[in-house]
Amino acid sequence: GENVEQHPSTLSVQEGDSAVIKCTYSDSASNYFPWYKQELGKGPQLIIDIRSNVGEKKDQRIAVTLNKTAKHFSLHITETQPEDSAVYFCAASRGYNAGNMLTFGGGTRLMVKP
Amino acid sequence: DVKVTQSSRYLVKRTGEKVFLECVQDMDHENMFWYRQDPGLGLRLIYFSYDVKMKEKGDIPEGYSVSREKKERFSLILESASTNQTSMYLCASSVTGHEQFFGPGTRLTVL
Repeated sequence: GENVEQHPSTLSVQEGDSAVIKCTYSDSASNYFPWYKQELGKGPQLIIDIRSNVGEKKDQRIAVTLNKTAKHFSLHITETQPEDSAVYFCAASRGYNAGNMLTFGGGTRLMVKP
Repeated sequence: DVKVTQSSRYLVKRTGEKVFLECVQDMDHENMFWYRQDPGLGLRLIYFSYDVKMKEKGDIPEGYSVSREKKERFSLILESASTNQTSMYLCASSVTGHEQFFGPGTRLTVL
């Protein structure tokens, strides 16, 4: 089955700096890669996703890049703010063919210092 | 807005007890999921259901069962709770091919 590894497990940055979280996956048939943000006391919430037919996607201060050949994808947050502090999870899926089942990485705790 | 609710935020049970965790979604989603979340391990899928009375095992189904009698409700059952089932349990729902919406989680402690 799919295996998703995520690094780093914790990341501390100064407000205004950029943060990068990286994930690798093992199943070359995976074609959908979402990122979830989990704030304290809440369930994870989708913040951005990318499908295998594109290499990069951007939404305001967050962007995701995908390298299918190397089987890795990354989340980039620019101009970090204290409200970006949370746990971030990457995930991979074969999409429709697998009933939208997701395999998650281990999570990254991001701390943005004011 | 999609809403996924879970019956309890915190639950304390004793070893050997039968435990029911309930999840309800209000958006008519066909898919529902149960995950457990442990530090450093991310979210691991226990079971999912793609229709009423249908279920599929996830990555870690041992020690758990599920029930889906109505489309909006998906229950996770621990037949005989053990201390290694102490964890955060998250329920989610989705339309196939679209994002999963998560509930707030139930933190279960088994003593």
